[in-house]
Amino acid sequence: GESVGLHLPTLSVQEGDNSIINCAYSNSASDYFIWYKQESGKGPQFIIDIRSNMDKRQGQRVTVLLNKTVKHLSLQIAATQPGDSAVYFCGPLPGGFKTIFGAGTRLFVKA
Amino acid sequence: NAGVTQTPKFQVLKTGQSMTLQCAQDMNHEYMSWYRQDPGMGLRLIHYSVGAGITDQGEVPNGYNVSRSTTEDFPLRLLSAAPSQTSVYFCASSSPTMNTEAFFGQGTRLTVV
Repeated sequence: GESVGLHLPTLSVQEGDNSIINCAYSNSASDYFIWYKQESGKGPQFIIDIRSNMDKRQGQRVTVLLNKTVKHLSLQIAATQPGDSAVYFCGPLPGGFKTIFGAGTRLFVKA
Repeated sequence: NAGVTQTPKFQVLKTGQSMTLQCAQDMNHEYMSWYRQDPGMGLRLIHYSVGAGITDQGEVPNGYNVSRSTTEDFPLRLLSAAPSQTSVYFCASSSPTMNTEAFFGQGTRLTVV
């Protein structure tokens, strides 16, 4: 089997600060790692992915870092905004669509 | 595009009843999946399909059946509802050509009493 863990179940940050959400995984055979955002009452929404042969990928205000040596993934959100408040999931993509998600980290942005 | 549409949004069932949760996508995606989400837990995969006529079990398939007769539709059937199936159910779809991005429906909140 495989497991995906998150270091912090909740994270509270001040508006404008940077946020870092961490994730540990156990399945090293994954080709991709993905981050999803889930707002209250809604379905998850894709944020960004990273291939297993990369260690960093940047998107709009988000950066994902992958450290395969320690099996650790992080999502960095720059200049966090109130609209970023949500639950964030990470997970491996084991060569297909069977993605296994961890429990998620809830991000609170204080105005 | 409507994306992924789930119906109903809310449902209350009595123990032992059966019902079908509907999921439809209009993006011509080959991959579709059903998840359940329980408080304090992540999304758990129930069943998935990589194309019409092909389905497979996920992490928690017991008590659920699926079929995929068309690319667009992927219904989830609860055979005999139990209180342990009280949950929020999400359907998702994706394309094999960009299979890291999945599109989710808004969810169905099911309560079994």
